[in-house]
Amino acid sequence: DAKTTQPPSMDCAEGRAANLPCNHSTISGNEYVYWYRQIHSQGPQYIIHGLKNNETNEMASLIITEDRKSSTLILPHATLRDTAVYYCIVRVVMNSGGYQKVTFGTGTKLQVIP
Amino acid sequence: GAVVSQHPSWVICKSGTSVKIECRSLDFQATTMFWYRQFPKQSLMLMATSNEGSKATYEQGVEKDKFLINHASLTLSTLTVTSAHPEDSSFYICSARVYGFLDTQYFGPGTRLTVL
Repeated sequence: DAKTTQPPSMDCAEGRAANLPCNHSTISGNEYVYWYRQIHSQGPQYIIHGLKNNETNEMASLIITEDRKSSTLILPHATLRDTAVYYCIVRVVMNSGGYQKVTFGTGTKLQVIP
Repeated sequence: GAVVSQHPSWVICKSGTSVKIECRSLDFQATTMFWYRQFPKQSLMLMATSNEGSKATYEQGVEKDKFLINHASLTLSTLTVTSAHPEDSSFYICSARVYGFLDTQYFGPGTRLTVL
C-alpha cells in the first residue's frame, strides 16, 4: 500500500473552507485516493474518492494533483459538525474480484471554531 | 446509502465474562464484513475479515480464540469477546463491503466495551 502523510491537526473557522492536505508520493497507477472521517465516538464515514480527476459530491471536493502525489479535501463551508478526524487512504480497486481492505493511518484532527 | 448497524452501542461487563457484539447490514447483503478495534486517541486497527459461510481471517497478533467471529448470514456478523479482561476495553467497529462503483466499506456506529 502507498503510505499517506497528513498533518496531525488543523483549525478552521466556521463558514470558511477547510482544506485538508494529503501526501501520497508513492501512489501507484491503480490506486485510488479515498477520504473518510470519524466524528468522536462514531464509526468512520465515507466522504469521497478519486483516481486522477477532481471529484465533487454533496459533502466535499477532492483535488488531486496532476502527478497524483498529493491531494486536498475541501469542505466548502465548514460547520461545527464537521469537527472530526479525517483520514486519507490510498487503495487499489480491483476489477478481478479481489478486494483491498481499508486501513487507517493517524489522520488529521480538524477543529472547526465558532 | 448503505447502512450498517451495531448492537449494543455500549456494554459494561465483569472481567471473565463473554460479550457478543452484532453487526448488521440493513439494506444490502454483505458477503464480507470487517471488525476493527480502536483504543482512546488511536486510529482504527483491523482485527479480522469475515466472509459469509466461512472462517474469519485474523490479522497478525489478534487471538482468534479470544475474539470469535461468526458470519452466518448475508446480513449479520457477530464478534464475541471471550473471557474479557480490562485490557479488552475498547471501541469495536464493524464494517461491510459494498460492491459497485465505490467498492469500499461502510462502517457501523461502533460498540463501546468496558470491562471492569
